[in-house]
Amino acid sequence: QKEVEQNSGPLSVPEGAIASLNCTYSDRGSQSFFWYRQYSGKSPELIMFIYSNGDKEDGRFTAQLNKASQYVSLLIRDSQPSDSATYLCAVNGKDTGNQFYFGTGTSLTVIP
Amino acid sequence: DAMVIQNPRYQVTQFGKPVTLSCSQTLNHNVMYWYQQKSSQAPKLLFHYYDKDFNNEADTPDNFQSRRPNTSFCFLDIRSPGLGDAAMYLCATSRGGILNEQFFGPGTRLTVL
Repeated sequence: QKEVEQNSGPLSVPEGAIASLNCTYSDRGSQSFFWYRQYSGKSPELIMFIYSNGDKEDGRFTAQLNKASQYVSLLIRDSQPSDSATYLCAVNGKDTGNQFYFGTGTSLTVIP
Repeated sequence: DAMVIQNPRYQVTQFGKPVTLSCSQTLNHNVMYWYQQKSSQAPKLLFHYYDKDFNNEADTPDNFQSRRPNTSFCFLDIRSPGLGDAAMYLCATSRGGILNEQFFGPGTRLTVL
């Protein structure tokens, strides 16, 4: 499987702070990058996807992609206790574009 | 609402007793995936179908098989479950291609006694 690595955490931030989640990937041919949120015992839920270098913002979430450094990040502004979950980074496979590979996730706790 | 449905949500089987997990979708997506996820681990891709074309991951054990009889349904067969196969099994779909995201079903939690 392709390598996708995340800082495993756990990461704790106070309510209202910015949470920063990081992901690196080994396959330089990867072209699509996804962030999923997974609550304990539940399935992953798509938060954001990004294809181009730079930033992409959606509400309190900002995804950042740097293909040269093979690095993608997720910033969560104004963190809320409901953001407490595991965040999974996923990248597509180079060959067909239909294969997705996941990192092990970063556990985030937002402290009220 | 268009969605990915998995049945059953919880499955208990005995060691060595074959089990089948079901996934259906109303999204009319071309690609259907099966993942295995163990506690505190990443979802591990087992295989996927692009339409009827089956794509097996190199490290997926032979004990795992899949069927996709039509666009809407996909099944995961575990021929002889071992204790190490206890996990959450996730079905996902995608339109296909590089720029399309995946959508997950709620998962089936498999327990092997």
